[in-house]
Amino acid sequence: QKEVEQNSGPLSVPEGAIASLNCTYSDRGSQSFFWYRQYSGKSPELIMSIYSNGDKEDGRFTAQLNKASQYVSLLIRDSQPSDSATYLCAVNRGYGNKLVFGAGTILRVKS
Amino acid sequence: NAGVTQTPKFQVLKTGQSMTLQCAQDMNHNSMYWYRQDPGMGLRLIYYSASEGTTDKGEVPNGYNVSRLNKREFSLRLESAAPSQTSVYFCASSARDRGHNEQFFGPGTRLTVL
Repeated sequence: QKEVEQNSGPLSVPEGAIASLNCTYSDRGSQSFFWYRQYSGKSPELIMSIYSNGDKEDGRFTAQLNKASQYVSLLIRDSQPSDSATYLCAVNRGYGNKLVFGAGTILRVKS
Repeated sequence: NAGVTQTPKFQVLKTGQSMTLQCAQDMNHNSMYWYRQDPGMGLRLIYYSASEGTTDKGEVPNGYNVSRLNKREFSLRLESAAPSQTSVYFCASSARDRGHNEQFFGPGTRLTVL
């Protein structure tokens, strides 16, 4: 079992819909959780971080964390073609130095 | 404020050649990281430096060495390049403020080893 798992996709949604991206992790000691967006040929860009159970909203993005279920998700409301990218989930074990990344989910928003 | 910068952007090496990838950050971050990214495998940590003067191995350190030259700069050296080291290399930095580890990435170096 991989430490951080994501569905590779591609996830296809129509423009204006809600895109839901999911991530599970295996280390119960994980304390910090991050979502990165990566456009083709570019570097990962941090878009959301979440540290406690519940929802965190930032514009069209909402991160959801459930530590009991070891599950973190990213919702993108009113999806736009410019949201088409690979979304990487990253988990920080405890308060240590290393992030563990999932392999990413490809999102395609169709106009 | 340039953030994290990397040089070069592209490089082609022959098997056995050596090279150093350079990384610098201007955000006064304590921690710096080197990753490689291969298709379908996500980002894998090669080496990291939690603070100036310290370095530690990550998940895939074999064939690489690093130097934390000062707080701003963290270089990655390939002593004898192999085709298996063909990849995209990313440098990242983090303040690790209050135990959190938000990492910010440089633009990457695309390396091909023939």
